[in-house]
Amino acid sequence: DGGITQSPKYLFRKEGQNVTLSCEQNLNHDAMYWYRQDPGQGLRLIYYSQIVNDFQKGDIAEGYSVSREKKESFPLTVTSAQKNPTAFYLCASRRLAGNTAGANVLTFGAGSRLTVL
Amino acid sequence: RKEVEQDPGPFNVPEGATVAFNCTYSNSASQSFFWYRQDCRKEPKLLMSVYSSGNEDGRFTAQLNRASQYISLLIRDSKLSDSATYLCVVNPRNSGGYQKVTFGIGTKLQVIP
Repeated sequence: DGGITQSPKYLFRKEGQNVTLSCEQNLNHDAMYWYRQDPGQGLRLIYYSQIVNDFQKGDIAEGYSVSREKKESFPLTVTSAQKNPTAFYLCASRRLAGNTAGANVLTFGAGSRLTVL
Repeated sequence: RKEVEQDPGPFNVPEGATVAFNCTYSNSASQSFFWYRQDCRKEPKLLMSVYSSGNEDGRFTAQLNRASQYISLLIRDSKLSDSATYLCVVNPRNSGGYQKVTFGIGTKLQVIP
């Protein structure tokens, strides 16, 4: 079945460590997104990418980095520069195809819950 | 003004009630609209797209009012299983080739027995 796989589901990190969250999709979607969600808050966009080897900063990119070397993969690195990294991280993807059925609909992975100790 | 605004609630309604949520957006050039449902500690999942002519899926009805720049979600005959947070999603038209998807904060619904 096609979908988006995020790993790990739960991750504990010590302060000062970088961690990388994996996001892989086999939906042949063009665009991929990383969001962060804090308790009782909405989704905030970290980074997004519409094509391989290109990505754009979202609203809260500071302290994060991404790469898009393959269409299927969009890993997110949470660096030690991110001051408050404990959150629920959601990866999403969508097909960009104008007005065709199913286009522009975001599909999410199950999320990665990061806790900094 | 936020790009997408929703009343966070919570909306506490009895089983069988009809409940409606609104979501306003600031970008008049917005192109497509969706409602997502998010259960506690889970990922959001598409509930329904919102079409200009309005659309219905069982007990759920979505409508778009471009003139007033809002979308709505109506849930009839509420079930306990409808308890969740409902997220409004707005896609802009292409701007420089990049499309940033914007989420509302979500409206929390609690259906009470």
